[in-house]
This record gives sequence, C-alpha cells and structure tokens, in this order.
Amino acid sequence: NAGVMQNPRHLVRRRGQEARLRCSPMKGHSHVYWYRQLPEEGLKFMVYLQKENIIDESGMPKERFSAEFPKEGPSILRIQQVVRGDSAAYFCASSLQGRHSTDTQYFGPGTRLTVL
Amino acid sequence: QQQVKQSPQSLIVQKGGISIINCAYENTAFDYFPWYQQFPGKGPALLIAIRPDVSEKKEGRFTISFNKSAKQFSLHIMDSQPGDSATYFCAASGVIKAAGNKLTFGGGTRVLVKP
Repeated sequence: NAGVMQNPRHLVRRRGQEARLRCSPMKGHSHVYWYRQLPEEGLKFMVYLQKENIIDESGMPKERFSAEFPKEGPSILRIQQVVRGDSAAYFCASSLQGRHSTDTQYFGPGTRLTVL
Repeated sequence: QQQVKQSPQSLIVQKGGISIINCAYENTAFDYFPWYQQFPGKGPALLIAIRPDVSEKKEGRFTISFNKSAKQFSLHIMDSQPGDSATYFCAASGVIKAAGNKLTFGGGTRVLVKP
C-alpha cells in the first residue's frame, strides 16, 4: 500500500510566479491536511479538506493561497504570486477518518519550495 | 491557547543514554498527544501517541509520560542509539465540532546521539 505521495519534491519559483503542489493520499483515505514548515520551525496547520469540500482553512493565508481536493485526482495547494517568505517545506497528510482526534495522520515526504 | 511549547530545542546524548523531551500545552480541549519523528528531507512519521486518560505509555524504547493536571507530557528515549538521531515533534489535537483533528505541533527538538 503506497504511502502519501507528494510532487514535486522540490520546486523553484521566481517571485510573482505560481506554485502548484500536489498530494495523493493513501489509498482509501478521504481526509487531507496541509501543513507548512518554515526552516528550523515546527509544522503549522494550513487547511483540512475532504473530497470536494474545504472543512477548515483557518491556518491558510487569506490571499494568494488556495486548496482543493476534487472528486478525482490529487489534492492541490496553489500559491499565486509567490514571495520569498513562501519558501518552506509543505507537507500533506492523510487520514482514513477525520471524526476522532486519534485518527492517525500519515505524512508525505513534502515539497520543498524555494522562491528566488 | 492553541500553542504547544517544546523543550529543549536541541539535545546531545551519548549512545546508551536517555533522551528526554518535554512539552506543555494550554488548550484543555486537546485529547490526543502524538509524537512524530522526522529525518532530514523526510516527512514526519508517527512514533507513539497517548490519550489523557493514561499517565504513561511505553512502546519498546520509547515512553510517553503524561501529567494532565500540569498540562505537560514528555518523551523518553531509553538506550538511545545513533539511528535515533532525528528531530522529534510533540503535537496535540482534539476534535472540535466538525473541524477535524488538525495537529498543533511543538517547535521540535533536534536529537543527536553520539556513538
């Protein structure tokens, strides 16, 4: 059973460009979480999605960031007009269920975004 | 109130020694406390987790101690090995309404085990 897959693993963008990060959850998982990790810091929650629905986007910046999890295909985290401060590692996690706090979240290897 | 504070930021221990990492939280709605291990260039991996209805949980060389009244919990790595060298994150979650179990992470502890 393949784990959580993220691509690309490394992404370099110039200021003002768009970044698209993809996440394929574990097979059978319909709950996806995105986290951001700045250098030398812990992970910070950004957004929680179920298929076709955004459940909680309280950690996501109001501007330039958006996320989706379509009925078919991977979840996408989109960052428009990137700035240097967006440089970070972005991790996706998936869980089988999202109702209980004990539902284990399995993390992907991350996408390391560098903004020049 | 959503913060989880973790200490120390870094830790050096000799092979065979004990590594101790501490975390404290404020939000009493948290009811699940996992620890994640992260190697450079990799995603975090669940190591061990505890619910507040128990005071201690042990899995192999890893033990979580939980103090509900003090709102603190800690990870003990017994007989530390060089392969344990990694960054460790404590985290907390609690299902609030229908918002899902988003994790609130501590700042991380970089552990180096010297041979």
